[in-house]
Amino acid sequence: KAGVTQTPRYLIKTRGQQVTLSCSPISGHRSVSWYQQTPGQGLQFLFEYFSETQRNKGNFPGRFSGRQFSNSRSEMNVSTLELGDSALYLCASRWVLGGSPGELFFGEGSRLTVL
Amino acid sequence: GENVEQHPSTLSVQEGDSAVIKCTYSDSASNYFPWYKQELGKGPQLIIDIRSNVGEKKDQRIAVTLNKTAKHFSLHITETQPEDSAVYFCAASRKDAGNMLTFGGGTRLMVKP
Repeated sequence: KAGVTQTPRYLIKTRGQQVTLSCSPISGHRSVSWYQQTPGQGLQFLFEYFSETQRNKGNFPGRFSGRQFSNSRSEMNVSTLELGDSALYLCASRWVLGGSPGELFFGEGSRLTVL
Repeated sequence: GENVEQHPSTLSVQEGDSAVIKCTYSDSASNYFPWYKQELGKGPQLIIDIRSNVGEKKDQRIAVTLNKTAKHFSLHITETQPEDSAVYFCAASRKDAGNMLTFGGGTRLMVKP
């Protein structure tokens, strides 16, 4: 079974630009979450999608947005990039069982560098 | 909101020794406590988890204990091996928060052969 696939793996942008990151969850997983990982702030929750609906959102500015498609694939977008947005963006999928928490399967991440 | 603190930030042990990582959480409504291992260049991987109705859980060389009263939980790794070297994260979540995990700051474990 293929794992969580994130593209692109690495990208470099300049301040003010926008970026779109893509995530393909494990087949059958309908829940997709996004996390930002930085050396200073650690792992922080961005948002979670289930059946194309955002279920939870972390404490990030409106420049961070996401969506989920009918095939459960998800994208996240960051507009008007700032230097502080440089981070590893991790996508995780889960097979939802009655809404109870369970194992998150993480992808290898997309490393964004903002110059 | 939830706050999870993790100690130590780095831990160096000799192969075969035990390693203990401790976390505290602030939200008494949290009821799910997973531990993730992250190797260089990879995403975190779940190694063990515990729910609030259980005090201890063991899986081979790995065990987790939970003290709900004190709001802390710990990861114990026995007979450490070089392949245990990685960054370990504790996390907490509450029932009504879906997949919104609040992570600790991480512990870099180094196992010296």
